[in-house]
Amino acid sequence: KNEVEQSPQNLTAQEGEFITINCSYSVGISALHWLQQHPGGGIVSLFMLSSGKKKHGRLIATINIQEKHSSLHITASHPRDSAVYICAVWKPTGNQFYFGTGTSLTVIP
Amino acid sequence: GAGVSQSPRYKVTKRGQDVTLRCDPISSHATLYWYQQALGQGPEFLTYFNYEAQPDKSGLPSDRFSAERPEGSISTLTIQRTEQRDSAMYRCASSLGSAGGGETQYFGPGTRLLVL
Repeated sequence: KNEVEQSPQNLTAQEGEFITINCSYSVGISALHWLQQHPGGGIVSLFMLSSGKKKHGRLIATINIQEKHSSLHITASHPRDSAVYICAVWKPTGNQFYFGTGTSLTVIP
Repeated sequence: GAGVSQSPRYKVTKRGQDVTLRCDPISSHATLYWYQQALGQGPEFLTYFNYEAQPDKSGLPSDRFSAERPEGSISTLTIQRTEQRDSAMYRCASSLGSAGGGETQYFGPGTRLLVL
């Protein structure tokens, strides 16, 4: 069983749609990260969360510590949002990062 | 520097050879992380450093893997007696503080290793 589960694995959306990607985890964490991996392979950190909600432009990330669940929302999606979105959690006991398998998003014009 | 840099960007080696990969983090960043990403897979955590200290090595896949950061800046990842299953992208990231995984990370471009 993976410590971090993401859904969906693949997602195709029309430009302008509201998108939600989910992440559930099974270990005690101190931080959760949302990462974006571009088609060219580069990785960019989008958010680091330990509680509540963060917003950056059209991206919103939320975390519910009690339910061990986080969501990444993209409003007014655009083809340039097409990428793999990865959830990762930091488990402080053991000093380990655990990664989800990623959600591949394609936004069609 | 302006960002995290890694060298070489590509490395092809023969099975059984040793390889050393280099990561140059953003200057003044306290924490440096190493990850392995097989083709088509998500990243896997290998190890990290707070300055020169390496709190945990348990993510390293075998004792053929070792990492150093002797002066708390540049880091190297060495794979001894490479095997074909070591073929992957090796990524480095750094973060400003020393809060373990509770900081925003800045990723390098990676080194693509191919073991023939």
